[in-house]
Amino acid sequence: EAQVTQNPRYLITVTGKKLTVTCSQNMNHEYMSWYRQDPGLGLRQIYYSMNVEVTDKGDVPEGYKVSRKEKRNFPLILESPSPNQTSLYFCASREGVFYEQFFGPGTRLTVL
Amino acid sequence: ILNVEQSPQSLHVQEGDSTNFTCSFPSSNFYALHWYRWETAKSPEALFVMTLNGDEKKKGRISATLNTKEGYSYLYIKGSQPEDSATYLCAFYRSGGSNYKLTFGKGTLLTVNP
Repeated sequence: EAQVTQNPRYLITVTGKKLTVTCSQNMNHEYMSWYRQDPGLGLRQIYYSMNVEVTDKGDVPEGYKVSRKEKRNFPLILESPSPNQTSLYFCASREGVFYEQFFGPGTRLTVL
Repeated sequence: ILNVEQSPQSLHVQEGDSTNFTCSFPSSNFYALHWYRWETAKSPEALFVMTLNGDEKKKGRISATLNTKEGYSYLYIKGSQPEDSATYLCAFYRSGGSNYKLTFGKGTLLTVNP
């Protein structure tokens, strides 16, 4: 089944404790993105990647890192999480610019 | 940051009503417009990807039109059903340089009452 998977689905952590949210897609898509969703603000792009080893900042990249060492994986790294990073995070992938985007199931992160 | 505006923010209709909402985006450097349907506790799912001025797309009772010259797209739902209740998102793709990122509007929350 074609899908985007994220792990963990839920995470409660404390300020400053490094964490990684994994994202993997099995559709051989070149484009992958991370979004955060906050009430009243909609979906905002954190980082995106056009291919292996090619990444770029989205609208809200501060406090986040990404890597794209393999085509299928695009982990989101929070080196020192803070409470303002409490949010619902979505990973997504697509084949190209003119193609629909497939979203993962979401990761709800709470930083205390 | 580009402004993608959706209106109305929310909408309540009765089962059987037809409805429509609007997505406005900058008309310059247009590349593509996406519509997504997002049910509560689920992930957004793609409805349409539209690229050409005058494009019309249809999927069942849902259809969309695109006007790239004036910078808007309409989403129509004919004969709304309770299962159509969801947030409908549009997202704009702007050409130029290497910045091929998708910018989302805040969505229109549709509630269909039985």
